[in-house]
Amino acid sequence: AQTVTQSQPEMSVQEAETVTLSCTYDTSESDYYLFWYKQPPSRQMILVIRQEAYKQQNATENRFSVNFQKAAKSFSLKISDSQLGDAAMYFCAYRSAVSGTASKLTFGTGTRLQVML
Amino acid sequence: KAGVTQTPRYLIKTRGQQVTLSCSPISGHRSVSWYQQTPGQGLQFLFEYFSETQRNKGNFPGRFSGRQFSNSRSEMNVSTLELGDSALYLCASSLVPGAQNIQYFGAGTRLSVL
Repeated sequence: AQTVTQSQPEMSVQEAETVTLSCTYDTSESDYYLFWYKQPPSRQMILVIRQEAYKQQNATENRFSVNFQKAAKSFSLKISDSQLGDAAMYFCAYRSAVSGTASKLTFGTGTRLQVML
Repeated sequence: KAGVTQTPRYLIKTRGQQVTLSCSPISGHRSVSWYQQTPGQGLQFLFEYFSETQRNKGNFPGRFSGRQFSNSRSEMNVSTLELGDSALYLCASSLVPGAQNIQYFGAGTRLSVL
């Protein structure tokens, strides 16, 4: 079974600064997807960024980028120019590309990000 | 385009009762998945439905069940509620099953069991 580990329960960053959230995962599969979801107090999970395992290039979405190290099974999220609206719980998630099990997202325990003025 | 809609937003029930939660997917989405979120266990996959058929099920007791209708709307039911069933229940929809299809989440139903 796959597992996802987020070792930082809480992080804080100054507005306009950069912060990196860590995530490691364990799997024996070679084809999968990795995600970062954001859950603000409104509770709705919002997709921040997605990475396909077979793509070596790190995904980027505006101020959000990832550092995907497949051999090390590491998938960190970098938030640049942090904004107050970035304050939320961030979840790292794994999804197998193996047919039949691909529906399930396996989540880490989350990192609460605080953004300071 | 409207997002994933879950109703109700909040529910309070007592032990032993049963409850039904509803999820309307994004228009055109035919796959619906359910997740349970608790402080102790985190986010856990419950089940996925596509074309009115359950495709995958997580490790939950038989008290947890679901169904999907021909319009892709889904319901989940929990019978004989226990205190430990108190949780945020999240629904996610995607066009069709498959890892390449992004799951979009609703705001959840907060269930409190007293």
